Amino acid sequence: EAGVAQSPRYKIIEKRQSVAFWCNPISGHATLYWYQQILGQGPKLLIQFQNNGVVDDSQLPKDRFSAERLKGVDSTLKIQPAKLEDSAVYLCASSPFGSPNNEQFFGPGTRLTVL
Amino acid sequence: AQSVTQLGSHVSVSEGALVLLRCNYSSSVPPYLFWYVQYPNQGLQLLLKYTSAATLVKGINGFEAEFKKSETSFHLTKPSAHMSDAAEYFCAVSDRNTGNQFYFGTGTSLTVIP
Repeated sequence: EAGVAQSPRYKIIEKRQSVAFWCNPISGHATLYWYQQILGQGPKLLIQFQNNGVVDDSQLPKDRFSAERLKGVDSTLKIQPAKLEDSAVYLCASSPFGSPNNEQFFGPGTRLTVL
Repeated sequence: AQSVTQLGSHVSVSEGALVLLRCNYSSSVPPYLFWYVQYPNQGLQLLLKYTSAATLVKGINGFEAEFKKSETSFHLTKPSAHMSDAAEYFCAVSDRNTGNQFYFGTGTSLTVIP
């Protein structure tokens, strides 16, 4: 079974530029998550999708971050414009069903550096 | 809201020694609990999870964790450290009542000394 795919793996941009990350979850997984992991910290949930609907985006900085999962499969996370403090690893995860005890399967992440 | 505390951001052990990584949670209702491992430049991999069955949970790579309700703890142990165990370890909780949002601790970096 293929795992969660993310691209690109690394991205370097200058502040005020835009960037987009892509995630393809494990086939059949209805729930998709985007996390931000700042160096030295644990992952922080940005947004959670159930199929193509948003379940929780309370910690997404909506003035600059946006995410979509139009067909309920793959997802894109965008930052526009980027700030220095957005430098982090962006992790995508998926789970087969929206129940609390289900394991979340994580992709390798995209490491973003904002200069 | 849930919270997770991992005591010790860095832990060093000698190869072959006991590994003990601490995790405490705050919740009035026992949550679901998870330990994940993260190797450099990789995503998180599940080591084990507690979902209200046996309080002693065995995971991959020889790791295990014991849920202690009285201490609100879920410490991770391994009897004998191996060089390949060097990584970042994260404890996470999920609230039984409000859905499957995970709250992660700040992580513990494990160094194994030859």
